[in-house]
Amino acid sequence: DVVMTQSPLSLPVTLGQPASISCRSSQSLVYSDGNTYLSWFQQRPGQSPRRLIYQVSNRDSGVPDRFSGSGSGTDFTLKISRVEAEDVGVYYCMQGTHWPPWTFGQGTKVEIK
Amino acid sequence: EGQLVESGGTLVQPGGSLRLSCAASGFSFSNFWMSWIRQAPGKGLEWVANIKRDGSEKYYVDSVKGRFTISRDNAKNSLYLQMNDLRAEDTAVYYCARGRGLDPWGQGTLVTVSS
Repeated sequence: DVVMTQSPLSLPVTLGQPASISCRSSQSLVYSDGNTYLSWFQQRPGQSPRRLIYQVSNRDSGVPDRFSGSGSGTDFTLKISRVEAEDVGVYYCMQGTHWPPWTFGQGTKVEIK
Repeated sequence: EGQLVESGGTLVQPGGSLRLSCAASGFSFSNFWMSWIRQAPGKGLEWVANIKRDGSEKYYVDSVKGRFTISRDNAKNSLYLQMNDLRAEDTAVYYCARGRGLDPWGQGTLVTVSS
């Protein structure tokens, strides 16, 4: 199974400042069709997860443009350009290239300093 | 956009059975793979199972193989998860989600396995 490793696991940030979360996979996530199936999810306190980013860098509808995804192969990053209070929660990366199983990272908890 | 609503979660004894349901609306259900994901209390996300559009392919995480069965009824726009031989470690909020890309998710239903 592909292991997804996120860092840091806890990320205190100052409002208005940038934040960055790393996600590394134990194998390249490039699929045979040339696409890379790496997604990012946000889970606000008390809510269901919500997908933010799919295929590394594509923002889902309604996701603010302060969120961006990048990376390739085995190394990926989620960036928040200026953290707002509503961004507090846990962020997960997930791979959908080598399945089954679809696997998630451990989660990164973003909180306001 | 689509909406998903799970139901069926409750307290069940170890070794017991439970059937979860997920009602879909706002999109063409039969055109999408569907997935179940769970989250144990205070823990991260774990993909559990998914099923192809016509039900012809089903996949499971190793820890539930032989105990859980995913199914769907496209005429009723509904997804199901039959859970047998439940164990304490199956205690979790169970979410359904559309597609293999998992978007969107339902609100979840809590399954507690305890005596």
